[in-house]
Amino acid sequence: GAVVSQHPSWVICKSGTSVKIECRSLDFQATTMFWYRQFPKQSLMLMATSNEGSKATYEQGVEKDKFLINHASLTLSTLTVTSAHPEDSSFYICSARETGGAWSPLHFGNGTRLTVT
Amino acid sequence: GIQVEQSPPDLILQEGANSTLRCNFSDSVNNLQWFHQNPWGQLINLFYIPSGTKQNGRLSATTVATERYSLLYISSSQTTDSGVYFCAVRGQAGTALIFGKGTTLSVSS
Repeated sequence: GAVVSQHPSWVICKSGTSVKIECRSLDFQATTMFWYRQFPKQSLMLMATSNEGSKATYEQGVEKDKFLINHASLTLSTLTVTSAHPEDSSFYICSARETGGAWSPLHFGNGTRLTVT
Repeated sequence: GIQVEQSPPDLILQEGANSTLRCNFSDSVNNLQWFHQNPWGQLINLFYIPSGTKQNGRLSATTVATERYSLLYISSSQTTDSGVYFCAVRGQAGTALIFGKGTTLSVSS
């Protein structure tokens, strides 16, 4: 149980275009999802917290107009990288916790590797 | 915010050796998870261990919450154990996990 599906696994896009990444909780409801970014040989850094039905909360230094997050249902959150540039190339990973489980473990998707050319 | 420090940063082992990875954190936590990230980037959840001791096959973990550290033990290491091991903690209910910088393990045959 507790599977988080992330799509696509990898994407290559041209500079200036937008890319949408989906994160779905397959067998549980997730009021809250989290988006992380990981650069090569570095740790996972939290980008934003996504709450169903409300605006996302972004970490300091993360441009909310560039990284659009939508959490329209209890099982789906999307991250759209707008006007992507080569420096946005990274590994993006989402995670989710079950609704009502404030202390329950977080479950992670398999990540999306974004390359901007 | 909570600081998470992992040691050692790198570890090289021969197959069959045992190892201990350490995670220190700067404040009280109510959630601690150990992950193994494989070469494809996939995060494998090893343990959810805010306190106490757990074992799963060749792996075991201990968290001493009052002293703010956790240990991950790997026994009889195999080449498939290679990868990056992350410790991540959460201090407040409902918030995200904060990750340490990881320990990169290389096991050679």
